[in-house]
This record gives sequence, structure tokens and C-alpha cells, in this order.
Amino acid sequence: AQKITQTQPGMFVQEKEAVTLDCTYDTSDPSYGLFWYKQPSSGEMIFLIYQGSYDQQNATEGRYSLNFQKARKSANLVISASQLGDSAMYFCATLTGGFKTIFGAGTRLFVKA
Amino acid sequence: KAGVTQTPRYLIKTRGQQVTLSCSPISGHRSVSWYQQTPGQGLQFLFEYFSETQRNKGNFPGRFSGRQFSNSRSEMNVSTLELGDSALYLCASSERGATPLNEQFFGPGTRLTVL
Repeated sequence: AQKITQTQPGMFVQEKEAVTLDCTYDTSDPSYGLFWYKQPSSGEMIFLIYQGSYDQQNATEGRYSLNFQKARKSANLVISASQLGDSAMYFCATLTGGFKTIFGAGTRLFVKA
Repeated sequence: KAGVTQTPRYLIKTRGQQVTLSCSPISGHRSVSWYQQTPGQGLQFLFEYFSETQRNKGNFPGRFSGRQFSNSRSEMNVSTLELGDSALYLCASSERGATPLNEQFFGPGTRLTVL
């Protein structure tokens, strides 16, 4: 069965610094996708970044980059130049050919001014 | 392009009642997935529909059901509500055409409170 592990329940980062949110996954499917979502206190899930299992390069979207290490089964999210508006819950998720998305428990990020 | 919409946004029901939640995907998206989010269990997958067919479902009792219409709009129904059904119900849509590995876009959710 697929599983996502996020070991950091909460993280603090100083404004303008970079932060890495950890995510490890477990799947037996050879083809899968890895996603990161942001959920502010309003509750809406915001798609941030996607990495396909066959993608050779790490995905980047603006200040977000995904550090994909396939052998280690890790897909860490790196946020550069943190902003106060980055304070939110962050979820790592995986989607496989079974059309089922599994989410991790999430990491709450606090950005300090 | 309009985003995913969910109605109603908030709902209060009592135990034993049933409820129907609605989700309209982004235009052109044929896949709709439903999730339940609670503080204790986190985000859990309920089911996924593509072109009116349920392709996968999570580990929820039969009280939870869903369907998808020909215009890709989807509804989920919960019968005989229990207190533990209080949650944020999120709907997400994606293209999911030739590959399942497309990103999903979420709606704002329906917050259900069962009294």
C-alpha cells in the first residue's frame, strides 16, 4: 500500500530564509506522481508543485522546488526566501496508477518576522 | 477558467440525517476525487470518478457514496450521519486523460458539522 510520511509536525523559519519540508514515500508502483499542497487557515488546498517518477530533473515553480531523490524515496519541498504568507499547513501526496491520492499528515510552517 | 466549486460551503445536520454535497470541476476536467479531512485522521481519500465511473474508493463505510454526471459534476452522499462525520469535505478535479499523473485542483471544501 502507498504511504506518505512527513516527520515534521511543525517548523519555524525566519522570514527571507529558505526552509526544507521533509517527505518520504512508499509505493510499489513503477509510475507515480508526487505533489505538494499548501493549506492556509482558510482551508483551501493550493497546488504547489508536481514531480513525476520518471522526471529526470527536480521540479521547480517560482520559490518552490522539489528535491526528488528516487533511491531514497524522498520528495522534500524547498521554499526559498520565505514570506509571512507562507505560514500554512503543507501536505505531501502521492498518486499512482490506481487513481488514488494518499496524503501525509502535514507539516505546519510558521514564518517569523 | 473558473476553479472547482463546491456547494454548500457550510452545513449543519443532526445525527441520523443524510446529506448531499456537490462539486463542479474545472471545465474540461473529467476526473473528480473526494476527500475527508479531520484533525484526527488527516486527509483521507473517499473515491474518484472519471467519465461517470468510479475508478477507486477509500476505506469508508457504505454510508458514503458518490456519483458523477455526464457534465463531470459530482455529488457525494452520506446517509445516517454520525458525529464522527463532522469534517471538511474536499473535492478535487484533474484532467486525468491518457495518464493518471496529473495535478489535482481543489475546491474550497464543504464544512459539515453533525450535531
